[in-house]
Amino acid sequence: GDSVTQMEGPVTLSEEAFLTINCTYTATGYPSLFWYVQYPGEGLQLLLKATKADDKGSNKGFEATYRKETTSFHLEKGSVQVSDSAVYFCALRTGGGNKLTFGTGTQLKVEL
Amino acid sequence: NAGVTQTPKFQVLKTGQSMTLQCAQDMNHEYMSWYRQDPGMGLRLIHYSVGAGITDQGEVPNGYNVSRSTTEDFPLRLLSAAPSQTSVYFCASSPGLKDGYTFGSGTRLTVV
Repeated sequence: GDSVTQMEGPVTLSEEAFLTINCTYTATGYPSLFWYVQYPGEGLQLLLKATKADDKGSNKGFEATYRKETTSFHLEKGSVQVSDSAVYFCALRTGGGNKLTFGTGTQLKVEL
Repeated sequence: NAGVTQTPKFQVLKTGQSMTLQCAQDMNHEYMSWYRQDPGMGLRLIHYSVGAGITDQGEVPNGYNVSRSTTEDFPLRLLSAAPSQTSVYFCASSPGLKDGYTFGSGTRLTVV
């Protein structure tokens, strides 16, 4: 079945540091890939998406590239801020499927 | 534009009680889903719908019922609450198979 593996957290960074959160997946067919962010006490917000190989999703300084050859969708940001502190979820959705398959989430804490 | 609206935000139930978690979206999305989020378990799909009048089971459907009489509404019913159903419940909607889901802000349910 489909699965998503994310790096374990928590990840603690200083403000303005470079962020990478690794995500790899296993899926049948050609999934769409997503990153969601969850702030404390809130629901999940779609951060970015990519629907085919080599697509790059970007939003609010975050980027991720759909790498079919390595089945990866790593999240990056060049300079994190304290306000980026949240839990980040990688997810996939296969064509014809109604289910989002999520990774377990990576907590990011950014300190001054 | 309200997006996905869930009510109530918090609920405490006694074991054996029943209740309905409400979910409404105003984006005319065909696809809707219910997830539960538990520590260490990530998000798991309970039930989903691909349009009015059509519903199906997800990963963890036992103890829950759904119906979809209109495009806008997708209520989740707990038939006889159990402590194992203590969780945060999220409703989500999506316009198409390759799109991400828009999530509500969640209902935090405690069963005592």
